[in-house]
Amino acid sequence: KQEVTQIPAALSVPEGENLVLNCSFTDSAIYNLQWFRQDPGKGLTSLLLIQSSQREQTSGRLNASLDKSSGRSTLYIAASQPGDSATYLCALMDSSYKLIFGSGTRLLVRP
Amino acid sequence: KAGVTQTPRYLIKTRGQQVTLSCSPISGHRSVSWYQQTPGQGLQFLFEYFSETQRNKGNFPGRFSGRQFSNSRSEMNVSTLELGDSALYLCASSLEQGGSTEAFFGQGTRLTVV
Repeated sequence: KQEVTQIPAALSVPEGENLVLNCSFTDSAIYNLQWFRQDPGKGLTSLLLIQSSQREQTSGRLNASLDKSSGRSTLYIAASQPGDSATYLCALMDSSYKLIFGSGTRLLVRP
Repeated sequence: KAGVTQTPRYLIKTRGQQVTLSCSPISGHRSVSWYQQTPGQGLQFLFEYFSETQRNKGNFPGRFSGRQFSNSRSEMNVSTLELGDSALYLCASSLEQGGSTEAFFGQGTRLTVV
């Protein structure tokens, strides 16, 4: 059974810092991995999608990597801003085409 | 291009009642999935529809059901509501099933059962 773990559960950093969020999974048989952002009480906003054959994707200040052999993905946020404060979720699409989510990392960027 | 639209945004129901939630996917998207989000369990998969067919179902009781119409709009129904059904219900749409598919989520329906 696929299990997705996100570390840390919460993170507080001063504005301007570069930071890394971690996501680990137990089964490397995945179709893709997607990173989402969720603001309180809101839906999920897709940040980056990495297909199983890819190693990384970049969008603006965000960079996500995928290492299936070690069961890990990281989301790198450069030059963090207060507006980046949110919960970040990683999700894997498994062989039955459903998304399996981690429990998220709650990020606070202090001005 | 309009995103995924979920209605209503908020619902308050009494135990024992039933409820229907609606999801309109992004135009052209044929796959619609439903997820339940609670503080204790996080995000859990309910079911997925593609071209009006349920292709996958999560580990939820039979009180949870859904359907998809020919225009890809989907509805989710919960009968005999329990307090534990209080949650944020999220709908996602994608262009097609498979490894290259990106899921786009709606804003969710917040269901409170009293």
